[in-house]
Amino acid sequence: DADVTQTPRNRITKTGKRIMLECSQTKGHDRMYWYRQDPGLGLRLIYYSFDVKDINKGEISDGYSVSRQAQAKFSLSLESAIPNQTALYFCATSDFGTGGVYNEQFFGPGTRLTVL
Amino acid sequence: AQTVTQSQPEMSVQEAETVTLSCTYDTSESDYYLFWYKQPPSRQMILVIRQEAYKQQNATENRFSVNFQKAAKSFSLKISDSQLGDAAMYFCAYRSARVGEKLTFGTGTRLTIIP
Repeated sequence: DADVTQTPRNRITKTGKRIMLECSQTKGHDRMYWYRQDPGLGLRLIYYSFDVKDINKGEISDGYSVSRQAQAKFSLSLESAIPNQTALYFCATSDFGTGGVYNEQFFGPGTRLTVL
Repeated sequence: AQTVTQSQPEMSVQEAETVTLSCTYDTSESDYYLFWYKQPPSRQMILVIRQEAYKQQNATENRFSVNFQKAAKSFSLKISDSQLGDAAMYFCAYRSARVGEKLTFGTGTRLTIIP
């Protein structure tokens, strides 16, 4: 089945370490997103990409960077992890639509990141 | 900027009963989409139902329906005949119809089903 996968599913790291979260999709979608979920805050957008050459900051991009290596791959990096980046991270994808199609976003299973 | 408010952090309902989850949003746009997502303990985000703002008819998906009040900027989710598998966090989300399709989420409502 066409799917959105994230690796790793869980990760514990220490303050100051560099860490990369990876997202791959087999849906053939052009658009990919990274969200962060914190208790009581819902999901917030970190970065998004509409194609390989297009990267855009979301509402909480500070401390993060991304790389769109291919249409199917979108990685999120924390250059120097800090404890308040402990959260659940989601990758999502959507297709480009026309004529009012609302382009549902499909989410990966999430990565739980703990920064000690 | 658009905002989405879910004023009920937690709700509970008896199995087989009906429950309504509230959502309000703030936008200056006239064309947009609204969504309800379910997040069970597996943490997977699952789309439950969606509504296009230009449609007056309320969306329905089996036991799930919405009450969309555009003038009041309200988008509530009704779950009928609640089942144990409905226990989850529910997130309301907004997306502009303009190019850019970023989702703005509410803070969520945790729904507990009482057997």
